[in-house]
Formats: sequence, structure tokens, C-alpha cells
Amino acid sequence: GQSLEQPSEVTAVEGAIVQINCTYQTSGFYGLSWYQQHDGGAPTFLSYNGLDGLEETGRFSSFLSRSDSYGYLLLQELQMKDSASYFCAQRNGSSNTGKLIFGQGTTLQVKP
Amino acid sequence: DTEVTQTPKHLVMGMTNKKSLKCEQHMGHRAMYWYKQKAKKPPELMFVYSYEKLSINESVPSRFSPECPNSSLLNLHLHALQPEDSALYLCASSQGQLSNQPQHFGDGTRLSIL
Repeated sequence: GQSLEQPSEVTAVEGAIVQINCTYQTSGFYGLSWYQQHDGGAPTFLSYNGLDGLEETGRFSSFLSRSDSYGYLLLQELQMKDSASYFCAQRNGSSNTGKLIFGQGTTLQVKP
Repeated sequence: DTEVTQTPKHLVMGMTNKKSLKCEQHMGHRAMYWYKQKAKKPPELMFVYSYEKLSINESVPSRFSPECPNSSLLNLHLHALQPEDSALYLCASSQGQLSNQPQHFGDGTRLSIL
């Protein structure tokens, strides 16, 4: 089955830029999504890349390179409230069934 | 607050109890999901409903029984659970099941089995 790899932890300071990488398996790839989850909260959709390139939404951007089976989430002008877990996720590779497979998550700690 | 509402927020039950988790959305979404999430782990899919019909069961033990009474509601009936079933149970919905249709999650029910 699919597996997605991302770093377990990242630390950065307020105002900085941080990049969270994600590598995925290519079998039946349908696009890469990113979700944010604060402690005790619900996962929240951030971004989706179906094609190669950069998608920008405010301070957050996501990039995809299908030839490299790789994507990343870029967070700019970091704020304390960005401290959370970030998950990359892809759809099931065998069919477009709605099954979402999550990476293990990256815990981002933003320091003053 | 999310657009997907889950009740109760917390639930403590014994191994012999029967309880139900409830989920509601009014966004007109036709796909609904149950996930289980352990601490410091990603959500794991349990069930998918599409147009009120069960489309995916990820080999979940029969002590978990999902139900979709209508397009806005999703229930998860619990019976004879085990201590290892203690977790956060998340409900989600999406407009459809295409890759570019994001899933909207509720805040979850934190379940503790005594």
C-alpha cells in the first residue's frame, strides 16, 4: 500500500520560513493534500496539488513534483499559532475511492 | 468550531456498555467518513459512506457498527469495546470522493474504555 514519509519534528522561530517535505509512493497517484492539526483539535485542510507546481494560499504554499514523487508545504512569516502537526496525505492508489492515506505527521514548534 | 459536529465530545464507557457516537453536517456533502486517531499518530480510516451507502470498511472489528440514517447524519455504534479502542474518533465529510475535494473534519469524540 501507500506510505508517505515526512520529518517527525521541525523547530523554527517566529517570522521565519519553514519547509516540510513529503515523499510518497507513485502507485495510482491522484494528488497530494496537506492538513494541519492543533493539539486537541480537528485536522483542517490546507492545500492540494494535483499537478506539478506551486499553490499559494496566503502565508502557506504547497509544491508538487510528480517526477520526483515529492512535495512540500512552505510556511512563511511563522507565527506562534502555527505550532501544530502537519500531515501530507494522498488518495488510495487503486481507485479514486475517497480513501485518504496520511503521513505520520510533522510536529512544528514555533519559538519566540 | 467546525462545520462537522460530533457528539459527545468526551465519552467514558465500560467494556460491556453500548454507546453511540454521532456526526452531523449540513454542507450537502455526499461522502462521510469515520477515522480513529491515537495520540501522536495520523488519523486511520475506518469507514466510508458514499451517498448513504457503505463503500469502504477497513476491516474494522464488528464491535464498531456504522450507520448512515440520512445524507446529513453518521453514527458509530459501539459495543463490547476493548481498552485499546480508547482513542479520538473523528468524523469527516467531503463533497464527493475526488482527490481535489477536501475532507472537513469534526472536533472528534475522545473515547476512554475502562
